[in-house]
Amino acid sequence: GENVEQHPSTLSVQEGDSAVIKCTYSDSASNYFPWYKQELGKGPQLIIDIRSNVGEKKDQRIAVTLNKTAKHFSLHITETQPEDSAVYFCADPMDTGRRALTFGSGTRLQVQP
Amino acid sequence: DGGITQSPKYLFRKEGQNVTLSCEQNLNHDAMYWYRQDPGQGLRLIYYSQIVNDFQKGDIAEGYSVSREKKESFPLTVTSAQKNPTAFYLCASSVLARSETQYFGPGTRLLVL
Repeated sequence: GENVEQHPSTLSVQEGDSAVIKCTYSDSASNYFPWYKQELGKGPQLIIDIRSNVGEKKDQRIAVTLNKTAKHFSLHITETQPEDSAVYFCADPMDTGRRALTFGSGTRLQVQP
Repeated sequence: DGGITQSPKYLFRKEGQNVTLSCEQNLNHDAMYWYRQDPGQGLRLIYYSQIVNDFQKGDIAEGYSVSREKKESFPLTVTSAQKNPTAFYLCASSVLARSETQYFGPGTRLLVL
């Protein structure tokens, strides 16, 4: 998804630390922002999503924040655990006339025990 | 058990051969999608379908074909025209297209003999 920029591409943290992954989008009309987690050899699973009418959503150790002015949204994982190690993808509906999400390039998170 | 199933889990293709990947969902979703994932890469959209008997090309449709004769089924054929088919293929579905959560199947890994 060249119009959905995701950073960083890799992230290594110590167990118990926090991890933050950021995605930048280009279309002001975008209104839905999901985050997916993909474990090795499996399909991506939705872990959290946010609509454009709220600025933050939290689910236990996972949170997503949305900055509509700056056009970016971020995934925050607190108190990381080894089982959080995976590839994380953001996505953006984009108003290209194509009725499908466009995914970011992914972030490989490694939590060191 | 509701969800998306893909078969087979592994598929081997010989040179010049067409192969078909199966995707079935019992979630009563209208929209279905096919993505290709190369090692260490993000998801690239091959084809998507918003409704039965209708489908649109994604970003990398060349060498692939699909059909949507039933709401619950969206098979993908990798034709002999696809010169580099080795990849992990993911099927997904959503209630509606675009600004809706996509649910992914477990994937099919295609290898060339």
